[in-house]
Amino acid sequence: RKEVEQDPGPFNVPEGATVAFNCTYSNSASQSFFWYRQDCRKEPKLLMSVYSSGNEDGRFTAQLNRASQYISLLIRDSKLSDSATYLCVVNEDSGYALNFGKGTSLLVTP
Amino acid sequence: NAGVTQTPKFQVLKTGQSMTLQCAQDMNHNSMYWYRQDPGMGLRLIYYSASEGTTDKGEVPNGYNVSRLNKREFSLRLESAAPSQTSVYFCASTGQGNTEAFFGQGTRLTVV
Repeated sequence: RKEVEQDPGPFNVPEGATVAFNCTYSNSASQSFFWYRQDCRKEPKLLMSVYSSGNEDGRFTAQLNRASQYISLLIRDSKLSDSATYLCVVNEDSGYALNFGKGTSLLVTP
Repeated sequence: NAGVTQTPKFQVLKTGQSMTLQCAQDMNHNSMYWYRQDPGMGLRLIYYSASEGTTDKGEVPNGYNVSRLNKREFSLRLESAAPSQTSVYFCASTGQGNTEAFFGQGTRLTVV
């Protein structure tokens, strides 16, 4: 099975800090990439898609590096409400679609 | 807009009992998935269905069966529950192409 690897953390950061997560994937034929957020074992919800050119949504920036086979998520000006687990998701070709990393835990402290 | 609906939300079973977890989506999605999530293990794929009438094994299919009843519904059956199947189960669906996945709210299953 193709692998998606994430640093499990936890990342403990103060409010207002900038934090970055990386995720590596092993299948060079992977088609699309996403970051999901999961709170306290509730259902995962899409945070943002990751495009080849990179994309930004408010305080969140996602980057894709196909040559090195990793994606990243940058969170600026961290809020307490950003505390959650962040899941890297790689959509491969037919077969094991929606390949999930195990998640990176973020705790933002006052 | 319901999205993906899972039932039940909570269930306690005795070892050896059987049950079916139900999942339905109203987004006309082709692909549907069943995952289980255990502490420290992330989401692991049990079975998936790329389209109505087809199902395939995922990473951890042993002890489970599935049925893609129609395009909307994808059920997961535990024929003889074991304590190792205590977990949180998520159903998900995706549309055509490389689109995002939508998840149900999960079923918290305890087998005693």
